[in-house]
Amino acid sequence: GDSVTQMEGPVTLSEEAFLTINCTYTATGYPSLFWYVQYPGEGLQLLLKATKADDKGSNKGFEATYRKETTSFHLEKGSVQVSDSAVYFCALSDPGGATNKLIFGTGTLLAVQP
Amino acid sequence: KAGVTQTPRYLIKTRGQQVTLSCSPISGHRSVSWYQQTPGQGLQFLFEYFSETQRNKGNFPGRFSGRQFSNSRSEMNVSTLELGDSALYLCASSLSGQWNTEAFFGQGTRLTVV
Repeated sequence: GDSVTQMEGPVTLSEEAFLTINCTYTATGYPSLFWYVQYPGEGLQLLLKATKADDKGSNKGFEATYRKETTSFHLEKGSVQVSDSAVYFCALSDPGGATNKLIFGTGTLLAVQP
Repeated sequence: KAGVTQTPRYLIKTRGQQVTLSCSPISGHRSVSWYQQTPGQGLQFLFEYFSETQRNKGNFPGRFSGRQFSNSRSEMNVSTLELGDSALYLCASSLSGQWNTEAFFGQGTRLTVV
């Protein structure tokens, strides 16, 4: 079945460092790919998405490119801030069914130190 | 525009009891999905409702059930609670319920079973 694999956390960075969180997926067909962020005590917020191969999603300085050849959707940010500390989830939406069920990775905790 | 509202935010129940959680989607959204989040299993899909019909169901026992009303509000019920049901239950609403549609999450209901 469809699945999402994320790099294990926690990821600890100093402010202004470069961030990469790896995400690969297994899916039949061409899923949509998402990055969600969860701040402490909160629900999930959509950070960015891409719906087809080679699409680049971007928001708040974060970027991710849908790479079909490597089945990847890695999250990057050039300069992280303390306020970026949160748990990041990579997810896919299965186009095979007529629903918007999301399949999530295990999440990666990012801790940014001043 | 009001977001997704989940009530209650926190709940403590005893093993064997049943519980009902409520979700009010964003106005105009017709699709509501439920997810269970635990430290061990991560985010797992429970079920999705669209226009009062269950369209998809995750791999959970029959003790977990849900429904959607004509105003798109949704409830989920867990009967005969077990300690392992302790989790954050997240509700997400989408406008159309198509596979590439953004899902908006509520803050969740934290259920503790003692």
